[in-house]
Amino acid sequence: DTAVSQTPKYLVTQMGNDKSIKCEQNLGHDTMYWYKQDSKKFLKIMFSYNNKELIINETVPNRFSPKSPDKAHLNLHINSLELGDSAVYFCASKGQGAVEQYFGPGTRLTVT
Amino acid sequence: AQTVTQSQPEMSVQEAETVTLSCTYDTSENNYYLFWYKQPPSRQMILVIRQEAYKQQNATENRFSVNFQKAAKSFSLKISDSQLGDTAMYFCAFMKHEANSKLTFGKGITLSVRP
Repeated sequence: DTAVSQTPKYLVTQMGNDKSIKCEQNLGHDTMYWYKQDSKKFLKIMFSYNNKELIINETVPNRFSPKSPDKAHLNLHINSLELGDSAVYFCASKGQGAVEQYFGPGTRLTVT
Repeated sequence: AQTVTQSQPEMSVQEAETVTLSCTYDTSENNYYLFWYKQPPSRQMILVIRQEAYKQQNATENRFSVNFQKAAKSFSLKISDSQLGDTAMYFCAFMKHEANSKLTFGKGITLSVRP
């Protein structure tokens, strides 16, 4: 019954590795987002997709690559992980014409 | 570009009392939405209340209400009859009134409710 789910919830990895975080929503929404919450709890948009098309791409290092295989999924792949990538990554989705964004539970990424 | 400012890093309130969390924002947009999100220790982002800029009436949701002052670009959250479960970080957020717009968040405020 989970509306927006993310896997994994926790991810611990070493510098230099490549990792992916997956997001799925079962709400039939057209728009999905990735937000990053840093160690100071500041939340900032990274990417947004609408119907598999990239529409928002903030100033994020190109080591981060989002992929939307269909409108229910938005995955985030990160290459060559750095210590500064440690954060909580939130996926969110929104229906067409709607206002509210529904957030997933977050993925805490720790890079050692 | 829009900015959202929450200048108080933390606040504390006695259970059953009322507390007001402040938020100011800056935008050149005329039509937009404002939100308060709650993030408890579980880290789940929970929408508390939202306000449409074109509505003059302040939004209310049970014990939560806002004081929206459009000219002053101010959007404060009042929590009445504070409960222990209200202990959390609270984020003020702005969103343009356009399709697929993003949320712009303030830095958040940590609210502690004392028993």
